[in-house]
Amino acid sequence: KAGVTQTPRYLIKTRGQQVTLSCSPISGHRSVSWYQQTPGQGLQFLFEYFSETQRNKGNFPGRFSGRQFSNSRSEMNVSTLELGDSALYLCASSGRQGPNTEAFFGQGTRLTVV
Amino acid sequence: QKEVEQDPGPLSVPEGAIVSLNCTYSNSAFQYFMWYRQYSRKGPELLMYTYSSGNKEDGRFTAQVDKSSKYISLFIRDSQPSDSATYLCAKEGAAGNKLTFGGGTRVLVKP
Repeated sequence: KAGVTQTPRYLIKTRGQQVTLSCSPISGHRSVSWYQQTPGQGLQFLFEYFSETQRNKGNFPGRFSGRQFSNSRSEMNVSTLELGDSALYLCASSGRQGPNTEAFFGQGTRLTVV
Repeated sequence: QKEVEQDPGPLSVPEGAIVSLNCTYSNSAFQYFMWYRQYSRKGPELLMYTYSSGNKEDGRFTAQVDKSSKYISLFIRDSQPSDSATYLCAKEGAAGNKLTFGGGTRVLVKP
């Protein structure tokens, strides 16, 4: 069974640009969550989608947005990039609606903003 | 105060020793707790999850939750150099699918 696939693995963007990251969950999983990981703040929850609807949202500015498609694939978008957005962005998929969701993570997309 | 607190380490142990990792949490409203292992430049890998209080064992790994003390523990027996990684504890939100992580503890197992 294929795992969670995130593309691209690495990105370098310039401050002020926007970026779109993609996540393909494990086959059959309908929940996709996004996290940001930085050395200073650790792993922080961005948002979660289930059946194309955003169910949970973390404390991030509106520049961070996402969506989910009917095949459960998800994208997240960051507009007007800032230097502080440099991070590892992780996607997790789950086959359960909760609780006890057993989230499985992808390898992440490492975004560098210069 | 962060919802989940974890000593950043590094925790260095000789091969074969028992690794003991701990987390504390501040909100009692949650019942599911997880441990993840993360190797450098990789995504977190789910090791174990536990419900409420008590122990759960899986091979060399034992997870404990003490809800009265708001303490979560992970023990790794017969540690191997391949266990060298960052270990993250997490608790699940009330609605599920929203994990709050500790900062992670870096573990080094020396041959």
